[in-house]
Amino acid sequence: AQSVTQLDSQVPVFEEAPVELRCNYSSSVSVYLFWYVQYPNQGLQLLLKYLSGSTLVKGINGFEAEFNKSQTSFHLRKPSVHISDTAEYFCAVRGYSTLTFGKGTMLLVSP
Amino acid sequence: GAGVSQSPSNKVTEKGKDVELRCDPISGHTALYWYRQSLGQGLEFLIYFQGNSAPDKSGLPSDRFSAERTGGSVSTLTIQRTQQEDSAVYLCASSLGGQGAEQYFGPGTRLTVT
Repeated sequence: AQSVTQLDSQVPVFEEAPVELRCNYSSSVSVYLFWYVQYPNQGLQLLLKYLSGSTLVKGINGFEAEFNKSQTSFHLRKPSVHISDTAEYFCAVRGYSTLTFGKGTMLLVSP
Repeated sequence: GAGVSQSPSNKVTEKGKDVELRCDPISGHTALYWYRQSLGQGLEFLIYFQGNSAPDKSGLPSDRFSAERTGGSVSTLTIQRTQQEDSAVYLCASSLGGQGAEQYFGPGTRLTVT
């Protein structure tokens, strides 16, 4: 079985500050990990994914994530956030047939 | 090209009525998924189609929920005798298949049961 834990339901941050959104997972199959973003009143959009290879994965909009097998983590980072990054972020792990999502982290960027 | 589309975008229905939600996946995508997004529950998997068959229906919450896919394309999610706890955003996604394939999500249908 697969599960995803996003430890923070909300992360407030000031514009241009760095941010880390935490994600821990468990999986009984090969580990494929994803981060999706959902802007207000929109659908989900893929930010980045880890399938294999380099543990540091770069995605769109300046985001990156690092896969850490020993800590079963896949934290999302951005060195300098913008107001436009305000959105909900979902971490997900792939199971046999579908994705299991975490409950999401709301990133609130203020000026 | 066109993304995943869903209709209607909003649906308000009375408790006890049946509703049908439609999903048009990206052309050529063999895999199709339904999820439900509600406050406090996050994103819950409902059902997965590969072609017209549904090898995984494990997320359907009750026998009031059913789904079908025809022609390897359009899918319909039907909820019979709707209850207030069915109120949620229903999201559809499609992909080329394979465990690493990106799932492309539609904008969702917001269902409100009064």
